[in-house]
Amino acid sequence: DAGITQSPRHKVTETGTPVTLRCHQTENHRYMYWYRQDPGHGLRLIHYSYGVKDTDKGEVSDGYSVSRSKTEDFLLTLESATSSQTSVYFCAIRGPGQGSYEQYFGPGTRLTVT
Amino acid sequence: AQSVTQLDSHVSVSEGTPVLLRCNYSSSYSPSLFWYVQHPNKGLQLLLKYTSAATLVKGINGFEAEFKKSETSFHLTKPSAHMSDAAEYFCVVSGSVPGTYKYIFGTGTRLKVLA
Repeated sequence: DAGITQSPRHKVTETGTPVTLRCHQTENHRYMYWYRQDPGHGLRLIHYSYGVKDTDKGEVSDGYSVSRSKTEDFLLTLESATSSQTSVYFCAIRGPGQGSYEQYFGPGTRLTVT
Repeated sequence: AQSVTQLDSHVSVSEGTPVLLRCNYSSSYSPSLFWYVQHPNKGLQLLLKYTSAATLVKGINGFEAEFKKSETSFHLTKPSAHMSDAAEYFCVVSGSVPGTYKYIFGTGTRLKVLA
């Protein structure tokens, strides 16, 4: 258990509304990631963070923004939700230590945009 | 650039028979490679990882994978399938270039285990 929580776990929202998803970790990991999972696509990276206020784009970043003002929290914002953003969103951290490069994942947030 | 290809989107095996899930990768640098499993409506769990130590890697639940640099492959195997192995499996590659701690996921292989 890497101490990763996501909130909310489920959300239904209307097209055009802003949505913020939260990822919280308790073990002071430096690297945090947001992915979306869609059938046939595996997990695709949206944004990631390599420290407080340090973020970078992934392969599917259009329509998403992120913020990291504290080590433990990584927020994903959909500025104006669209139906194409209906997906399951996973947060992850990169494992600690020099020889440990694996990721650990949160439980996911199922987002439906109507 | 890095990429990963899972050669089968669906695999069906009978309970008690061997499992083979195929993964090929492309990486300009010495890669780290991982297999994750996702049971229906669940999160992702690490099965095993390769990070330039032994080329034959043993993971949880009897799974293992062999890193073959000449074939750029990292196939996942298990000698005898169990009903509880039915899930989706993801092969993941990550590079070792400093500062580029990104992970590239394959599109997944759904394993079905027949009674």
